[in-house]
Amino acid sequence: NAGVTQTPKFRVLKTGQSMTLLCAQDMNHEYMYWYRQDPGMGLRLIHYSVGEGTTAKGEVPDGYNVSRLKKQNFLLGLESAAPSQTSVYFCASRRDSPLYNEQFFGPGTRLTVL
Amino acid sequence: GQQVMQIPQYQHVQEGEDFTTYCNSSTTLSNIQWYKQRPGGHPVFLIQLVKSGEVKKQKRLTFQFGEAKKNSSLHITATQTTDVGTYFCAGFLGNQFYFGTGTSLTVIP
Repeated sequence: NAGVTQTPKFRVLKTGQSMTLLCAQDMNHEYMYWYRQDPGMGLRLIHYSVGEGTTAKGEVPDGYNVSRLKKQNFLLGLESAAPSQTSVYFCASRRDSPLYNEQFFGPGTRLTVL
Repeated sequence: GQQVMQIPQYQHVQEGEDFTTYCNSSTTLSNIQWYKQRPGGHPVFLIQLVKSGEVKKQKRLTFQFGEAKKNSSLHITATQTTDVGTYFCAGFLGNQFYFGTGTSLTVIP
């Protein structure tokens, strides 16, 4: 059981380049989330998914797109990276349960945009 | 929009002293969760509080959820060096979690 995995772990981009971050979970969770973490700002929700084929916007969705073609995978895309997108990105997943909805986080991707 | 404020931002304590962090939400929450993140690591779930006025304990950690389900606190008794990290609250509303800004705890041996 790998839990939640993220690839890549580190990435450096130039302004205007594009990239895709991959999140995979092997716990059969319905819900998946993408957050970014910046110093002093906690974790902010970018996009999330309540099941395969669904996506929804979070607090800070601008400049990002997501897809959930398979239940176990949640992809985060940056079409034209900007320095303001330099951050640590975390993916998380959870069960569809009102009582047991703890989030399981991946190890994170550290992205630098020059 | 929904906001969850958390104070203090930083706390330095001598080993053996107590520590408390507080969260306040602008709206009533369905539940609140607490996470711990070690330096360089990812958030790890500690506990979930659901009921108004709920109090839960995990060894030296005590968690409270306010009567109005808008505020919460985490109290650590007799801190140890293993308690070092950043503690986040996360309020749950709809399908989303709203994280506080976190409290970074440093424990001085």
